[in-house]
Amino acid sequence: SQKIEQNSEALNIQEGKTATLTCNYTNYSPAYLQWYRQDPGRGPVFLLLIRENEKEKRKERLKVTFDTTLKQSLFHITASQPADSATYLCASRYSSASKIIFGSGTRLSIRP
Amino acid sequence: GAVVSQHPSRVICKSGTSVKIECRSLDFQATTMFWYRQFPKQSLMLMATSNEGSKATYEQGVEKDKFLINHASLTLSTLTVTSAHPEDSSFYICSAREEGDQPQHFGDGTRLSIL
Repeated sequence: SQKIEQNSEALNIQEGKTATLTCNYTNYSPAYLQWYRQDPGRGPVFLLLIRENEKEKRKERLKVTFDTTLKQSLFHITASQPADSATYLCASRYSSASKIIFGSGTRLSIRP
Repeated sequence: GAVVSQHPSRVICKSGTSVKIECRSLDFQATTMFWYRQFPKQSLMLMATSNEGSKATYEQGVEKDKFLINHASLTLSTLTVTSAHPEDSSFYICSAREEGDQPQHFGDGTRLSIL
């Protein structure tokens, strides 16, 4: 069955460093990968979408990559700040019409 | 950016009550809307997918008679939890998506507590 996994349940890093979160998928080839931020008691907020024919996408301090050979997406936050602390979810879609499958999330903590 | 409004944000009611949750896409037309349930420290669990004007498609294990979904227009979907019991207490989140390869956008969730 289609699976998407975020290997780290939690990640703690020092303020100012780059946070790198990993998302791996198995048994299928998604057309899109999306990354969301979720704060406690709130709904997920869309951050970035990357298509299978794109290798990299950037938005301000955020960067996401899509490696179809490794079946992996990496999400980077450069110059991390305590305000970046949240749970980050990756999600994949097989096609434009299909539902998305969520990873279990990585809880990122940035310490001052 | 795309905004999805979900209302109410919190509901506390007695067992046996039916509760309706509304989800609106404010600045785009949502051909597809989704309803999720989230347990503490877990990821989102898809309950059902609905397309405007047609019946919702429920995920395996989700009771369609318990969780009634209506998607009457391109900007509004409702989830009604019928005869709610304490085990239905949870965080319910709606999501909406335009046609094509646009991303899904989420509401801010409804915390439902059944006493």
